[in-house]
Amino acid sequence: EVQLVESGGGLVKPGGSLRLSCAASGITFGSNNMNWVRQAPGKGLEWVSSISSSSSYIFYADSVKGRFTISRVNAKNSLFLQMNSLRAEDTAVYYCVRDGSGSHYNRYWYFDLWGRGTLVTVSS
Amino acid sequence: QSALTQPPSASGTPGQTVTISCSGSTSNIESNTVNWYQQLPGTAPPLLIYTNDQRPSGVPERFSGSKSGASASLAISGLQSEDEADYYCSAWDDSLSGYVFGSGTKVTVL
Repeated sequence: EVQLVESGGGLVKPGGSLRLSCAASGITFGSNNMNWVRQAPGKGLEWVSSISSSSSYIFYADSVKGRFTISRVNAKNSLFLQMNSLRAEDTAVYYCVRDGSGSHYNRYWYFDLWGRGTLVTVSS
Repeated sequence: QSALTQPPSASGTPGQTVTISCSGSTSNIESNTVNWYQQLPGTAPPLLIYTNDQRPSGVPERFSGSKSGASASLAISGLQSEDEADYYCSAWDDSLSGYVFGSGTKVTVL
C-alpha cells in the first residue's frame, strides 16, 4: 500500500525538542523529493521544509530556519524533522508530504501524497 | 498574512458553478506553477489540481484550474454537497525561496 506514516508528535514544553519521523511504503522513496507541511489548530496550511531526493537541496520556511532540521535516510525509506527551541506557535499537525513532479526544480513541485499527520503541542 | 490571497468563503447551490480566486505576485504565481488542494474536516488535504490546470487521476472533470499573470482560479462546476471543504492554492515563491499557501477558501453548498 502506498502510504506515508508520521510519528513522534506529542506534548513538549517551550524551548524543548522533538524529532518527527515519516515512514514511506509502496513508493520509490529514494527517487522522491519530500516535504513537511504543518497546520495549526483551526488555521491554514503552512509549508515548513523541503528536501530533494538525494538531500542535495534543502529549504526551510523563515519561521523555522535555524531551529528545525530536515533529513532523510533513503535506505530506510524514512524522512525526519528535528525540531529544537520549540515555541507555542509551532503547535500544529505536521504532515509528511511527497512531491509528485520528480523535478529538480522546486518551482514545478506539487504535493501529491500526504500522510495523516502527527500532532505537536508546545505548552508549559 | 499569506503571500497568496484567497476569499475566505464561497457558496453556491447544487449544480451551480463556484469560482475561487488566488491572487499572488511576480515572485510566485506569475513565475511558477500553481497547485490546488481540497481539505475535508479532520483530514489531510489531497491534491486537486497541479501545474495550473492538470487534474490527478480520480479527480472529477468538474474541477478545473487556470492561471493568468499573477492570479489563478479554481472552478467547481456542477457543485455537489460533497464539495463542501476548504480549498487552498499554493506556489513556489522565488523571493522567499519557499512554498506559499493561500489562506484558504471555505466552500459551502447551500
